Amino acid sequence: AQSVSQHNHHVILSEAASLELGCNYSYGGTVNLFWYVQYPGQHLQLLLKYFSGDPLVKGIKGFEAEFIKSKFSFNLRKPSVQWSDTAEYFCAVTSGNNNNDMRFGAGTRLTVKP
Amino acid sequence: DVKVTQSSRYLVKRTGEKVFLECVQDMDHENMFWYRQDPGLGLRLIYFSYDVKMKEKGDIPEGYSVSREKKERFSLILESASTNQTSMYLCASSFAGYGYTFGSGTRLTVV
Repeated sequence: AQSVSQHNHHVILSEAASLELGCNYSYGGTVNLFWYVQYPGQHLQLLLKYFSGDPLVKGIKGFEAEFIKSKFSFNLRKPSVQWSDTAEYFCAVTSGNNNNDMRFGAGTRLTVKP
Repeated sequence: DVKVTQSSRYLVKRTGEKVFLECVQDMDHENMFWYRQDPGLGLRLIYFSYDVKMKEKGDIPEGYSVSREKKERFSLILESASTNQTSMYLCASSFAGYGYTFGSGTRLTVV
């Protein structure tokens, strides 16, 4: 089965700083890629997803992610973070042939200082 | 909006008890999933179901079973609860896997 690595466990930034959270997956075939966010005390919400086409995907709240197939990566970016972006972020992947097996990374906790 | 409802937000059970966690979705999705979420480990797939009465093991099925008698309902069963099953349990549903919708979670404490 595919697996996902998120190398940053906890990231601390000041407001207006730029953000990049790393995500690498291991699977040799076609993949679908996702970023989810979990705000404190809330349920997981989909930020953005990639299935095919333009590898630069734009999501909600100013987030974007770029699929780089040669690097097996799908890093999440935001040019200028806000205090309200404080949350935990999860990268996830399903295999292209079987969307019934979403696997998640360990998550990255983002703290934005006001 | 799709709604995934988990019956309990918090549960405290004793070691050895049989525990039922219920999940209901209202959008006629074929696929339903149970994950557990632990700090530093992310979400780990316990079981999923792609149709009524169908189930597949995920990565950590040991100590758990599931039941799907109706399309909208997917139950997770801890046959004999143990302290290492203390965790946050998340249910999700999807249509053909195009993005999952998650419930709010059940925080289970086994004492």
